[in-house]
Amino acid sequence: EPEVTQTPSHQVTQMGQEVILRCVPISNHLYFYWYRQILGQKVEFLVSFYNNEISEKSEIFDDQFSVERPDGSNFTLKIRSTKLEDSAMYFCASTETASKTQYFGPGTRLLVL
Amino acid sequence: LAKTTQPISMDSYEGQEVNITCSHNNIATNDYITWYQQFPSQGPRFIIQGYKTKVTNEVASLFIPADRKSSTLSLPRVSLSDTAVYYCLVGDMTGGFKTIFGAGTRLFVKA
Repeated sequence: EPEVTQTPSHQVTQMGQEVILRCVPISNHLYFYWYRQILGQKVEFLVSFYNNEISEKSEIFDDQFSVERPDGSNFTLKIRSTKLEDSAMYFCASTETASKTQYFGPGTRLLVL
Repeated sequence: LAKTTQPISMDSYEGQEVNITCSHNNIATNDYITWYQQFPSQGPRFIIQGYKTKVTNEVASLFIPADRKSSTLSLPRVSLSDTAVYYCLVGDMTGGFKTIFGAGTRLFVKA
């Protein structure tokens, strides 16, 4: 069964540094998403991406964040100038055009010190 | 966006059937109902999706009444490995929609 993959599985960074989280969505999927989950809290939507542009974003997704699909396979989330409160699990998801089923990756655990 | 309401937690024993109900009073005509399961430190995993009446797959059943203001996820004969958080989501057909996860229902399955 095809899967969404994410790298790295864990990332530790210093406050103020930039991080790039990478995702490889399922190959025939056209919609891509990033979510985060702070430890012990619910999954929070960050952004959805289709046709090389953002289609929806949440209040969390401010100028500190950006997304990109630099090639035909990777989908990245960049966090500039990380803050302590950015520490969380970050999940990527993808879906086919006509389906509502979002397939989630295993996540990247980000720790900002 | 239709807001969803679920019980915070439920307990069950192995072998029992578990029914988790989700309320979504403001569901829109184009909205589908989707349930996900999440284990600790893992991404949510799709369980089942439906629009109306009943949907069944190898994992669960989803019951949706005619008014679609609620839905019930039914897990037959749960095992310890079904201990997880279960999320009910409501969203439309266009794709790229702003997905809102609620707090979910923490299911504890005991031996």
